[in-house]
Amino acid sequence: DGGITQSPKYLFRKEGQNVTLSCEQNLNHDAMYWYRQDPGQGLRLIYYSQIVNDFQKGDIAEGYSVSREKKESFPLTVTSAQKNPTAFYLCATHSWGEAFFGQGTRLTVV
Amino acid sequence: EDKVVQSPLSLVVHEGDTVTLNCSYEVTNFRSLLWYKQEKKAPTFLFMLTSSGIEKKSGRLSSILDKKELFSILNITATQTGDSAIYLCAELPAGGTSYGKLTFGQGTILTVHP
Repeated sequence: DGGITQSPKYLFRKEGQNVTLSCEQNLNHDAMYWYRQDPGQGLRLIYYSQIVNDFQKGDIAEGYSVSREKKESFPLTVTSAQKNPTAFYLCATHSWGEAFFGQGTRLTVV
Repeated sequence: EDKVVQSPLSLVVHEGDTVTLNCSYEVTNFRSLLWYKQEKKAPTFLFMLTSSGIEKKSGRLSSILDKKELFSILNITATQTGDSAIYLCAELPAGGTSYGKLTFGQGTILTVHP
């Protein structure tokens, strides 16, 4: 099946810990994106990558980091510098305007 | 900076009602406007609108774009409880590639009661 796989679905983190969210795609799309969604709100762009070994900050990049070593993979690290990391995180690819989304990771800081 | 604003932010209706969701945008280099439905997790694609005045239709859902006034509407007729979701609109800027980053509105939360 072609698609985007995010893992884990649920993640709990203690304050001060870094955590990494996985995003893998087999759609062969070049561009990949990470969005954050807070309850009852739209999507805000964290980071995006248009090509392997290159990525750009989105609107709310502070406290996050990414890498793009392979076309298929775009992991997001939520660092301890992120003040309010509890949220729903969506990974997406784009192809000629249409965005394809993973099922998301719900991160909760305990 | 590109901006997308949706209204209303939330809407509660009864089955059978017709609803109109609004999306306005301020962009410097517009290419397309997209609508998504998000029920529990991943948003699912509804429509992409590029040309002004041409209605896109899928069953009870339809959408139209007004490029002069910089807005789009999403209509849902004869609503059902399964239409309850967050509806997101997003703007895709022109850039000549498939890589343009979408700017999303804050979403409209639609609740349809039986």
